Amino acid sequence: SQKIEQNSEALNIQEGKTATLTCNYTNYSPAYLQWYRQDPGRGPVFLLLIRENEKEKRKERLKVTFDTTLKQSLFHITASQPADSATYLCAPSGAGSYQLTFGKGTKLSVIP
Amino acid sequence: NAGVMQNPRHLVRRRGQEARLRCSPMKGHSHVYWYRQLPEEGLKFMVYLQKENIIDESGMPKERFSAEFPKEGPSILRIQQVVRGDSAAYFCASSQGAGLDTIYFGEGSWLTVV
Repeated sequence: SQKIEQNSEALNIQEGKTATLTCNYTNYSPAYLQWYRQDPGRGPVFLLLIRENEKEKRKERLKVTFDTTLKQSLFHITASQPADSATYLCAPSGAGSYQLTFGKGTKLSVIP
Repeated sequence: NAGVMQNPRHLVRRRGQEARLRCSPMKGHSHVYWYRQLPEEGLKFMVYLQKENIIDESGMPKERFSAEFPKEGPSILRIQQVVRGDSAAYFCASSQGAGLDTIYFGEGSWLTVV
């Protein structure tokens, strides 16, 4: 069955450093992968989508990579700030799929 | 531009009662999805609806749960005879189209069964 693993349930980093979050998937060949941010008591907010034929995507301080050989996506936040503290969810999806399958998320804490 | 609106935000029900959760999609969106987030679990897909049609309910428990998206009015997720295990956050999302269209989530309805 499909399995999505987000390594590290929790990640603590110092303000200003780069946070790197990992999403691994097995028994799956997603056509694209999305990253969301979720704050406590709130709904997920879409951040970035990367397609299988894209190696890297950037948006401001965010960078996502997608390695279909390793079956892995990395999510980077550069120059991290305390306001970046949240849980980050990855969701790989098949082509034409409307159904998102989420990992359990990584809780990021950026320490001032 | 209002986002996806869910109500109630918090709902407490006694075992055996019914819970009704409402979702108004973003303006112009005709695709609605319901997801459930159990404590310490990831978000799980429940059902996908378009106006007056259930497209995919493969994630819905077979009993006690139902969903609708009428021609007029919000989408409703109904849970009959609630049990403690139904305590969770229920998120609605909407999109303009299906597939690769970005979906936008509401703030969730947090159901507690006592």
